[in-house]
Amino acid sequence: GAVVSQHPSRVICKSGTSVKIECRSLDFQATTMFWYRQFPKQSLMLMATSNEGSKATYEQGVEKDKFLINHASLTLSTLTVTSAHPEDSSFYICSARDRGTWGPDIETQYFGPGTRLLVL
Amino acid sequence: AQKVTQAQTEISVVEKEDVTLDCVYETRDTTYYLFWYKQPPSGELVFLIRRNSFDEQNEISGRYSWNFQKSTSSFNFTITASQVVDSAVYFCALLLYNQGGKLIFGQGTELSVKP
Repeated sequence: GAVVSQHPSRVICKSGTSVKIECRSLDFQATTMFWYRQFPKQSLMLMATSNEGSKATYEQGVEKDKFLINHASLTLSTLTVTSAHPEDSSFYICSARDRGTWGPDIETQYFGPGTRLLVL
Repeated sequence: AQKVTQAQTEISVVEKEDVTLDCVYETRDTTYYLFWYKQPPSGELVFLIRRNSFDEQNEISGRYSWNFQKSTSSFNFTITASQVVDSAVYFCALLLYNQGGKLIFGQGTELSVKP
C-alpha cells in the first residue's frame, strides 16, 4: 500500500525556536496533503490543506503566519512551526491524497506516522 | 453543519466480549466517505475501513463488522470476541469529497479490553 513518511518522528526544542516537519509520499504523487494536530486525549483537528504549487488553505483559528506550510513538489509538504511555544506542543500528523485514485469512486488518504513536538 | 459524533468516550470490556462503537454523522453533501481508524498508543493511525455514500452494504472482516445506515446517519463498528490487542482509540471520520477531501474526525472512543 501507499506509504507516507514524516520526519522527524519526535522533536524537543526550546521556546522561541522554529521547527520544520516534513511529510513525504513515498510511492505516489499527492496533489493535496493535509496537516492535523492532536492534543493528548483529543481528536485530530485539521489545521490546513496543502496543494502542490499553491498557497495552503488554513482552517478557522489556525494562524497561518505561525504555521507555515510549503508544498513544493508532488511528494513533499513541510510544516514549519515558527517561534514555537509550550502551547504548541502536540502530535502533528500529515495525510496525503492519492492523485492516482482521485475521483468519486475511490477516495482515500494515507496518513504519516506523526511527529511529537515538545516545546520547553 | 458537517459533524461526526462518537458519543462513547471510553468503553471497557472483558476479553471475548462483543463491543459496538457508535458513530453518527451530519452532512448535507450527497457524496461523502466514512472511515474508521484505530490509533494505538504509538499514535500512528491504522486504516480499518472506507465506505462511500452510495454503498450501504454492511461489511465483515474477520472479527470486525460495520453497519452503515444512511436513514439514521450512522456507521457503527462492532468487534466480535474482543482481544487485549484491540485496546486503542478508535476514530470515525467523514470525508467531504466536494470540499477537497477534508476529513472530519469524531472525538474518538477509547476501548480498553481487559484479560
